[in-house]
Amino acid sequence: AQSVTQPDIHITVSEGASLELRCNYSYGATPYLFWYVQSPGQGLQLLLKYFSGDTLVQGIKGFEAEFKRSQSSFNLRKPSVHWSDAAEYFCAVGRYSGTYKYIFGTGTRLKVLA
Amino acid sequence: DTAVSQTPKYLVTQMGNDKSIKCEQNLGHDTMYWYKQDSKKFLKIMFSYNNKELIINETVPNRFSPKSPDKAHLNLHINSLELGDSAVYFCASSPNPGQGTNEKLFFGSGTQLSVL
Repeated sequence: AQSVTQPDIHITVSEGASLELRCNYSYGATPYLFWYVQSPGQGLQLLLKYFSGDTLVQGIKGFEAEFKRSQSSFNLRKPSVHWSDAAEYFCAVGRYSGTYKYIFGTGTRLKVLA
Repeated sequence: DTAVSQTPKYLVTQMGNDKSIKCEQNLGHDTMYWYKQDSKKFLKIMFSYNNKELIINETVPNRFSPKSPDKAHLNLHINSLELGDSAVYFCASSPNPGQGTNEKLFFGSGTQLSVL
């Protein structure tokens, strides 16, 4: 089945440590790829997106993500995590299936230790 | 100025009641959505409208009826509420879905619906 997978439900890192959140998709063609962040009690906010071109994309808040076609992955990274990064992170794809749709992964909850 | 605003933020009601959630966007987008986020944070598309026309209806019970009086508004009416309807409902809008460069979803802050 076509899907977006975030294998890590929870991740805990110490403040200042590096972070990588995993995302894999299973679609035949390369879809448009997104990472969104959801702070408690808030809607989702776009961190970054990939459509084409350079496979390493930069986003807001110091985040970056790398598209790897061979692995069908779009992992999110940050070199040094801040306590304010604690939130829920969602990978999403945009693709046509009759109509254009955004499909979200199940999310990864990030906890940051002081 | 809030880009996508939805009201109410919290909605607590009894089973069997009918309730509505309103959404407005001031971004000039043609496309609006309703998403449902369950207790496990899974986010699932319910409906999408483009310029007041329904384009996505994702096997949602017909107790849920979206209404778009104009392209800046997309309301969600729910009849005969059930316990399983308890969730957070998000409204969103986007410019040019599928067109690339300017594409992104703008979300409202959500409506937490609790059915007792």
